[in-house]
Amino acid sequence: DAKTTQPNSMESNEEEPVHLPCNHSTISGTDYIHWYRQLPSQGPEYVIHGLTSNVNNRMASLAIAEDRKSSTLILHRATLRDAAVYYCILRRRGSSNTGKLIFGQGTTLQVKP
Amino acid sequence: DAGVTQSPTHLIKTRGQQVTLRCSPKSGHDTVSWYQQALGQGPQFIFQYYEEEERQRGNFPDRFSGHQFPNYSSELNVNALLLGDSALYLCASRIFTGTGVGEQYFGPGTRLTVT
Repeated sequence: DAKTTQPNSMESNEEEPVHLPCNHSTISGTDYIHWYRQLPSQGPEYVIHGLTSNVNNRMASLAIAEDRKSSTLILHRATLRDAAVYYCILRRRGSSNTGKLIFGQGTTLQVKP
Repeated sequence: DAGVTQSPTHLIKTRGQQVTLRCSPKSGHDTVSWYQQALGQGPQFIFQYYEEEERQRGNFPDRFSGHQFPNYSSELNVNALLLGDSALYLCASRIFTGTGVGEQYFGPGTRLTVT
């Protein structure tokens, strides 16, 4: 799977939008971009995934650059509960793909009240 | 609807011992993966089970083995425990799609301490 690069940490104020970047310059055409987050003392939690177009769900939005070499996870209004480690993960579509997730270090998001 | 459950929550073992961790997948899910997460690191993939067979394995020694039962629940066994095996062990489940794309649900993990 292609490698992703994320900042080690970011800070945000409560109730403000947060933009979490991810670089994946070696992404292939069949790589899906997934985001997971891990709250303290919990297992990772799926946030969102996409291929080429921007995606929205109840938790967040995913903005994908036109060349797909980078993406941004957007939390529209950060709450204290959003403080977590956010992981950007590429998953290659294919019959040989069995769901293995390769986690990097992720971005630790701190939300200040 | 219960999500992924794991037992026990915490476990303390001595070097050289053997341990068995258990996982029940989310209802309707048929594929289970196991991950090891050392303190301050991201989770590392151990292996995945589907149809009671190990389908893919990460870079872990043979001391790590597993099993999946007909009801889709799974066990992770670790033999000859080392101090370095101390970690949070996570179980994740999903519906097998053949593409590997889509969300996986993680349990809260089992914290293993080897002394």
